[in-house]
Amino acid sequence: DAKTTQPPSMDCAEGRAANLPCNHSTISGNEYVYWYRQIHSQGPQYIIHGLKNNETNEMASLIITEDRKSSTLILPHATLRDTAVYYCIVISRNQGGKLIFGQGTELSVKP
Amino acid sequence: GAVVSQHPSWVICKSGTSVKIECRSLDFQATTMFWYRQFPKQSLMLMATSNEGSKATYEQGVEKDKFLINHASLTLSTLTVTSAHPEDSSFYICSARDDGRYSNQPQHFGDGTRLSIL
Repeated sequence: DAKTTQPPSMDCAEGRAANLPCNHSTISGNEYVYWYRQIHSQGPQYIIHGLKNNETNEMASLIITEDRKSSTLILPHATLRDTAVYYCIVISRNQGGKLIFGQGTELSVKP
Repeated sequence: GAVVSQHPSWVICKSGTSVKIECRSLDFQATTMFWYRQFPKQSLMLMATSNEGSKATYEQGVEKDKFLINHASLTLSTLTVTSAHPEDSSFYICSARDDGRYSNQPQHFGDGTRLSIL
């Protein structure tokens, strides 16, 4: 599996955009980038995923660089409820769905 | 959206007791479910892959006789922590993926079970 590297923590002001980076320099052509988040004492929540094109849904946008070696999750207008640990995971469709979680980025949204 | 229900949400029991945790997919079928464990201040660690109608696949270092997994139907997987001891106290989380969707369909997670062994 391709490894991912994320900063351990980030702060963001409420109402501002939160940009969470992820490096995955060893990603292969058939591997997707998934983002999940975990709010304290809950199960992880799916946010978004992509292969090579940028993606947007009601929760966030995912920007993947052209060489696919890094990506950025964007929460356009962060709220206090977005405070969580955000995980970037790379997985191929042939890996049976196993998600291997790294340490993630602890995002603190402050008023 | 897809919902995964996990029960119980928390349990406290005496050392030596066996504890069963249920994971249900409520509005989709899941041939494969996954079980994770999470210790305080740490990330999720995959314990095993639960396969409907066949034996579970355990990750390296996870004792299959200690953590019994049964996936008897397309909507239910159970994890039994046998003869639990205080070191088994942890947050156990399951996930499932919708069989009926395309292969890169994301997994959906339950809300976890907090297990405390006294």
